[in-house]
Amino acid sequence: AQKVTQAQTEISVVEKEDVTLDCVYETRDTTYYLFWYKQPPSGELVFLIRRNSFDEQNEISGRYSWNFQKSTSSFNFTITASQVVDSAVYFCALSGQNTGNQFYFGTGTSLTVIP
Amino acid sequence: NAGVMQNPRHLVRRRGQEARLRCSPMKGHSHVYWYRQLPEEGLKFMVYLQKENIIDESGMPKERFSAEFPKEGPSILRIQQVVRGDSAAYFCASSERLADGEQFFGPGTRLTVL
Repeated sequence: AQKVTQAQTEISVVEKEDVTLDCVYETRDTTYYLFWYKQPPSGELVFLIRRNSFDEQNEISGRYSWNFQKSTSSFNFTITASQVVDSAVYFCALSGQNTGNQFYFGTGTSLTVIP
Repeated sequence: NAGVMQNPRHLVRRRGQEARLRCSPMKGHSHVYWYRQLPEEGLKFMVYLQKENIIDESGMPKERFSAEFPKEGPSILRIQQVVRGDSAAYFCASSERLADGEQFFGPGTRLTVL
């Protein structure tokens, strides 16, 4: 079965603090893909990152970084020096090669950055 | 290359009416997916279509919902006799290939049932 768990429902941080959003996944596929999306109050989905199961290198993009650990089935997302514009709901998603490539989304983490 | 287009962006219907949601995939994409996002929840898969074929409709409610992706024109998600519980954001995604897990999402259609 495919499943994504985002245990943190809501997080509030003060501007300039670092924050880590957790994502744990379950899959039987040996080839799969992990994603993070941002959903601002306007409602659209903003693609942040895609990672395939064979690439465990951590990635950094500006203030964003991702830590992929297959051993713990986790794909955590860290925002460094948070800003008010980071306030949004963040979704982690999983897609498996043997499941028609449909996406399985977590329930999202609502991040509020307080000025 | 324009992204995935969805229209309308907002749709209001009264109970019992029909809702038609349209999705134009990215140019060259022949795979279309529909997802539903209920208030305060994540997106849930509904249906996966290729041109003129429904490949996987395991996430579609058994009644009142249907989807098509004709040879010409956009993909349509149709909801008959809408009820208040159908109020949600409906997202469409498209992909060019099946094997690499990449999907591009549209901006969504927000359906409100009065």
